[in-house]
Order: sequence, then structure tokens, then C-alpha cells
Amino acid sequence: DAGVIQSPRHEVTEMGQEVTLRCKPISGHDYLFWYRQTMMRGLELLIYFNNNVPIDDSGMPEDRFSAKMPNASFSTLKIQPSEPRDSAVYFCASSFGDRGTYGYTFGSGTRLTVV
Amino acid sequence: GQNIDQPTEMTATEGAIVQINCTYQTSGFNGLFWYQQHAGEAPTFLSYNVLDGLEEKGRFSSFLSRSKGYSYLLLKELQMKDSASYLCAVRDHAGGSYIPTFGRGTSLIVHP
Repeated sequence: DAGVIQSPRHEVTEMGQEVTLRCKPISGHDYLFWYRQTMMRGLELLIYFNNNVPIDDSGMPEDRFSAKMPNASFSTLKIQPSEPRDSAVYFCASSFGDRGTYGYTFGSGTRLTVV
Repeated sequence: GQNIDQPTEMTATEGAIVQINCTYQTSGFNGLFWYQQHAGEAPTFLSYNVLDGLEEKGRFSSFLSRSKGYSYLLLKELQMKDSASYLCAVRDHAGGSYIPTFGRGTSLIVHP
């Protein structure tokens, strides 16, 4: 398996623009997670899905953020409108089951810079 | 929720042994994870502890004491490639979720 695939790897956008981050989880994994990592706050869970259904979005900062998972092999995280404080590395991760006994597999991340 | 505490940064010498500590406060402990993250890369899973004691996996070992809310990651025979951030993550089932919360990470610098 190619692992968790995220695109783009880097994104630079102007404040106010819409940003869409994409993720393809590992085939067969039934949980998908979106995390954000910054120096100040570390790795934070934004939202997670089970079998394509959003389970907990309490980590989503505000209404500007939205996430979808239309099928088992694809998810998007959208920020509209983007702001400079959204600059961070966004990771997607997947697992089989939520217990994560064998850990979550993370994608390579998308480094977002909003200027 | 959890309150997870790790040292921000540690330095060690190649070939030596280093212990990275993690303390936590939780009401429904349900497991502790260690991840390694090299600069600019994704976190990768190292270990999982749910019962007290030491879990050994090659040069890396992880210890857990649930009564003390304490874990450590032990790295032996340090190599330059071990320079990375080490993230402690704790799962608390009190809120009904099995999703772990991550600490801020410990940046380990290994020098010759």
C-alpha cells in the first residue's frame, strides 16, 4: 500500500482565499483523522470520520473550516476564507478501528502558508 | 481531557542512552502511545502501552506506570538519525472517545 496520501504538499495562498486539502487513506482503514500541527499548540485533532461519517468535529476551530468524506477513499478539508493564523501543517491519518493499538498512519502533511 | 507534559528539548551523545519522560493527568486512562517525528515529516508510531511495565522493541523501550501517571521512552545506542521530536499521546476513555491526545513533543538532538 502507498500509505496515506495527501495533496498538495505545500500551499501558499492569500488571506481570504479558499483552500482545499485532500487525503486518500489506506485502503481498508475505517477511521480517518484530520490534525493540525503548529509550534505553539502542537498536534491537534480537528475532526475524525468512521466509515465516512463525521463523528467528532469539536476540534474544528470555527465555521470557516469544513471537512467531507464522500467515500472510503477520499476526504477533503476546506478553509474558506483563509486567514494568516491558519498557517500550519495539516496531517491526515487513518487507522483500522479507533483503538489505534498499532498506531495511526499519518500522511506526509500539507504545509499551508496564508499571507 | 488530558494534561500531558514532556520536556521541550533534550540533547545526548551518539552511542549513549537517553530517557524521555511523559507525565499525564487523566480520569479514564486507556493507553499511551509514543510517536517519532523527524523534521518536516509525518509522525510515525513507535510503541503502545496500556498495562504497567516495560515494552522493549529493539533499541527503543517504553515504560508505563498508571498509578503515577508516568511513562518514559528509552533510546539505547543512540544514532544521529534518532534526532527527532518524540510525541507522547494519551487516550482517555472518560469522554467516550478512544482518540488519543498528543503532547507538545520532545525535540531530541543527538550530537557526535
